[in-house]
Amino acid sequence: LAKTTQPISMDSYEGQEVNITCSHNNIATNDYITWYQQFPSQGPRFIIQGYKTKVTNEVASLFIPADRKSSTLSLPRVSLSDTAVYYCLVGDGTGTASKLTFGTGTRLQVTL
Amino acid sequence: DSGVTQTPKHLITATGQRVTLRCSPRSGDLSVYWYQQSLDQGLQFLIQYYNGEERAKGNILERFSAQQFPDLHSELNLSSLELGDSALYFCASSVRWENYEQYFGPGTRLTVT
Repeated sequence: LAKTTQPISMDSYEGQEVNITCSHNNIATNDYITWYQQFPSQGPRFIIQGYKTKVTNEVASLFIPADRKSSTLSLPRVSLSDTAVYYCLVGDGTGTASKLTFGTGTRLQVTL
Repeated sequence: DSGVTQTPKHLITATGQRVTLRCSPRSGDLSVYWYQQSLDQGLQFLIQYYNGEERAKGNILERFSAQQFPDLHSELNLSSLELGDSALYFCASSVRWENYEQYFGPGTRLTVT
């Protein structure tokens, strides 16, 4: 299983861009990288997913270098409502039994 | 609203008892996942079902079992409950059985006293 490492916490001011990096040194060839957001006492919410290079949607961007040993979730112009825990997830998509490893997550605190 | 429903929302029971948690996936999703989230353990993957068949097992105790029914809803059975089983239990669903994009339910908060 690909183990992930993220910063435990980050602080930001409203309106700033926030970049959260996740390390996954033993990522497998078939693994995808997925990011989730979780508010207290709620289920995680899918944010973005990628395999290599860059992926962008209406919420965030995901940057993945060529070696795929890390990835960076970029949140543009954060607001107070972006205060949450963000999980980096590396999934085994080999087509057989798949397992999911959620890391410890990064607690993002956005203030005025 | 993710489209995944879980019942009950809260459950309080005593040690040694057995409970059943229920999950209905999003319409069209064939895969169901169960997770446990406690304060000291984070989010732990328990088990996955796809179209009625078990696909993967994570850190699921032998006291716990699950199944997915023909209508695709799933149940997680927890027996011989211990204080340490108190946690939030989440169900998630996805269209495919690869774990690429999952939609989580609101969770069931289990308190064992």
